[in-house]
Amino acid sequence: DAKTTQPTSMDCAEGRAANLPCNHSTISGNEYVYWYRQIHSQGPQYIIHGLKNNETNEMASLIITEDRKSSTLILPHATLRDTAVYYCIVRGYNYGQNFVFGPGTRLSVLP
Amino acid sequence: NAGVTQTPKFQVLKTGQSMTLQCAQDMNHEYMSWYRQDPGMGLRLIHYSVGAGITDQGEVPNGYNVSRSTTEDFPLRLLSAAPSQTSVYFCASRSQMPPGNTIYFGEGSWLTVV
Repeated sequence: DAKTTQPTSMDCAEGRAANLPCNHSTISGNEYVYWYRQIHSQGPQYIIHGLKNNETNEMASLIITEDRKSSTLILPHATLRDTAVYYCIVRGYNYGQNFVFGPGTRLSVLP
Repeated sequence: NAGVTQTPKFQVLKTGQSMTLQCAQDMNHEYMSWYRQDPGMGLRLIHYSVGAGITDQGEVPNGYNVSRSTTEDFPLRLLSAAPSQTSVYFCASRSQMPPGNTIYFGEGSWLTVV
């Protein structure tokens, strides 16, 4: 699985958009980009995933660059409850491949 | 929806004791796994199973055993607990439906070994 690089921590003002970057320069053609988050010490929660097109759901948007070497998770109107560790994971198509969690980005949403 | 259920939520063990962390899922998922998370760290994969009767090692398997006799259950056994196994343990499951099958986590089991 391709490795990912994320900033260790970020701050965002409440109500503003939070843009979390992720570099995955060694991603291969059949690998998806997933985002999960972990609030305090709960189990990680799925946010969104994509292959090459930009994706949006009720939680967030995922922007993947054309060369697929990086992506950005966007929380459009961050709230205090979005304070969490955000994990960017690149994983292949095969069923047997595992999810590998790195240290992630600790996002603090400030009032 | 129960999803992924882990028990116990908290446990204190003495060094050398053994115990089993239970994990059950009601989503008929083929794949199940165990992760551990140490303070300030990401999750590390201990063992996983792609179906009943099939298990394999992850990144940090030493000191742990697993078995998968049913689709629903995937217990994690600590054979002889050590202080280095103090951690939060997460069980997870996912279906085998491609292409972007997402993984679902339990709420975690906090284990302290003294």
